[in-house]
Amino acid sequence: SQQGEEDPQALSIQEGENATMNCSYKTSINNLQWYRQNSGRGLVHLILIRSNEREKHSGRLRVTLDTSKKSSSLLITASRAADTASYFCATSSRGFQKLVFGTGTRLLVSP
Amino acid sequence: EAQVTQNPRYLITVTGKKLTVTCSQNMNHEYMSWYRQDPGLGLRQIYYSMNVEVTDKGDVPEGYKVSRKEKRNFPLILESPSPNQTSLYFCASSLRAVSTGARVLQETQYFGPGTRLLVL
Repeated sequence: SQQGEEDPQALSIQEGENATMNCSYKTSINNLQWYRQNSGRGLVHLILIRSNEREKHSGRLRVTLDTSKKSSSLLITASRAADTASYFCATSSRGFQKLVFGTGTRLLVSP
Repeated sequence: EAQVTQNPRYLITVTGKKLTVTCSQNMNHEYMSWYRQDPGLGLRQIYYSMNVEVTDKGDVPEGYKVSRKEKRNFPLILESPSPNQTSLYFCASSLRAVSTGARVLQETQYFGPGTRLLVL
């Protein structure tokens, strides 16, 4: 069953702009992770935020987590054409031995 | 180099012809998993393994088998492939899925490059 749902499904911006993607989930989680996937390739882990954290930074990435709203956002600042990819959130829920992925946001950054 | 490898990368086969997709990791990870990715459906977990000889079903296990005889390898077996198993398959591993009572903490997963399978 799908846990995370990303919004928007697709996002098109210009280089230098910020890109914000949102993820909503349904059940209580231990942590939430964001992954990136270039077309047809394997996913690459970007950042993990635990359920007791509210915000986390990594380079140009900023992730927030609101457990009361069961949502997370990924912000990519000063985007580059190389950021063009699909971005997935994935949640790990209590008592469940697996990571559940959303359907992803396709980001296109135009030069 | 730390990595997850899958073979083959591309495969075209016919309905009913048994096939195996291999997955190997060199990071001494305990946890390994198989996913399939289909348009509009994201990644769905097929099977996972917490450690050697410990495997369990994911969300879409029908038509698949796995085994975990060694820590580094986690092959995916399609005994009798059907066209609805045409998909992009990913193997992934992580250091551990720490279990504390009923709580399991899922850590970062490392993905293989994918296997694109077409079943005619």
